[in-house]
Amino acid sequence: EPEVTQTPSHQVTQMGQEVILRCVPISNHLYFYWYRQILGQKVEFLVSFYNNEISEKSEIFDDQFSVERPDGSNFTLKIRSTKLEDSAMYFCASISWGAFSTEAFFGQGTRLTVV
Amino acid sequence: AQTVTQSQPEMSVQEAETVTLSCTYDTSESDYYLFWYKQPPSRQMILVIRQEAYKQQNATENRFSVNFQKAAKSFSLKISDSQLGDAAMYFCAYRSARGGGADGLTFGKGTHLIIQP
Repeated sequence: EPEVTQTPSHQVTQMGQEVILRCVPISNHLYFYWYRQILGQKVEFLVSFYNNEISEKSEIFDDQFSVERPDGSNFTLKIRSTKLEDSAMYFCASISWGAFSTEAFFGQGTRLTVV
Repeated sequence: AQTVTQSQPEMSVQEAETVTLSCTYDTSESDYYLFWYKQPPSRQMILVIRQEAYKQQNATENRFSVNFQKAAKSFSLKISDSQLGDAAMYFCAYRSARGGGADGLTFGKGTHLIIQP
C-alpha cells in the first residue's frame, strides 16, 4: 500500500539553527500539507501546497517557515531559525486529485527537538 | 473559522464493551467533511472513519460507526467490541469542501481512550 514517508524520524537541533524536514508524498497525490503537534496538544494545520505553490497557510506559518518541492517527489518544510517553541511533531500529509478524495494520508511524523 | 470540540479528555472502557467518543463542531458552511483519526503511541495519524456532510446515512467501518447530527453539529464515534489495540488518542477533525484540497484539517484536542482488559 502506498504511504507517505518522512525523514528523519527524530531531529535534535540547536536554537537558532535551520532545519529541513523532508517528506515523500504518495506519488499520484497533488495536494500536500504540513501539520504540527506540540506534545500533549492538538494537531495544527500549517500549510497546504498545490501546483508548486502555497494554497493556504495558518497564522502559525510565519516568515520563519517555508515549503518547497525541489524535485518530483520530495516535499520539504524549512524552519530558518529554530526557537524552543518549535519543538513538536511535524506531520506531512497528502491527498489525491480533487475534493472527491477526502482522505488525507499522513506520514509517521518527524519529532523535532530544539535545545 | 471552524472549531472542533472534544469534551472528553479521557475515556475508559472494558475490553469487548462499547464506548462512544463525543465531538461537536462549529461552522457556517453547509458542505464539509468530518473525520475521526486514531493516534497510537507510535504517534502516526491513522484514519478511522469519515463522513461527508451531504450524506444523511451514518458512516460505518466494521466495529466503528458514527452518529452524525448535522443540525446539532455533532459527530460522535462509537467503538463496538473494544479491543486492546483500540487504545490510542482519538482526534475528531473537520475539513471544508469549499476550497477543494487547499483547506487543511481542523482538529479537536483529542480523547485518550483506555481499554481495560
